[in-house]
Amino acid sequence: AQSVAQPEDQVNVAEGNPLTVKCTYSVSGNPYLFWYVQYPNRGLQFLLKYITGDNLVKGSYGFEAEFNKSQTSFHLKKPSALVSDSALYFCAVRDPTGGSYIPTFGRGTSLIVHP
Amino acid sequence: DAGVIQSPRHEVTEMGQEVTLRCKPISGHDYFFWYRQTMMRGLELLIYFNNNVPIDDSGMPEDRFSAKMPNASFSTLKIQPSEPRDSAVYFCASSQGDFGANVLTFGAGSRLTVL
Repeated sequence: AQSVAQPEDQVNVAEGNPLTVKCTYSVSGNPYLFWYVQYPNRGLQFLLKYITGDNLVKGSYGFEAEFNKSQTSFHLKKPSALVSDSALYFCAVRDPTGGSYIPTFGRGTSLIVHP
Repeated sequence: DAGVIQSPRHEVTEMGQEVTLRCKPISGHDYFFWYRQTMMRGLELLIYFNNNVPIDDSGMPEDRFSAKMPNASFSTLKIQPSEPRDSAVYFCASSQGDFGANVLTFGAGSRLTVL
């Protein structure tokens, strides 16, 4: 079985400060991990993914995420937050060895960047 | 490509009425999904198709919900009869099956309000 947890419903950060949105996962084998972002009244948009290789993955809009196998985490980070980064962020996991082609999404974390 | 196209964007209806939501996936994508998003339950997978064939409909709430995909470029989600608890934002998404990625492209959503 595959599952993902986003322990924070909301993250508040001041503009210009670094931000972190947390994600932990559970799979039987090696995971495929994804981050999506949802702006108000829009669908989810793909940000970045980890499949294999370098543990630090860089994505759109200056975001990056680090895969940590020992901690089963895939936290999303950005060195300097912008007000326009305020949105709902979803982590997703897929276990390719589990036979499922379908990712499991977390409940989402609302990021609020204050001017 | 215009992306995944959903209609209508907003639907307000009365309890007991039939609701039909429509979606056009991205050309060439062979996986197709219907999701529902609510504050209480987050993002829920309702059903997904592969090459127009329904693969898993275990997320469909009850028999009042039905989804069809008559061809690769069109799908409908029908609710009959609708109930107030069906009020939610419904998203469709598509992806191109390849090794590992399965990045989903979402539509902008259909916001359904059942009075």
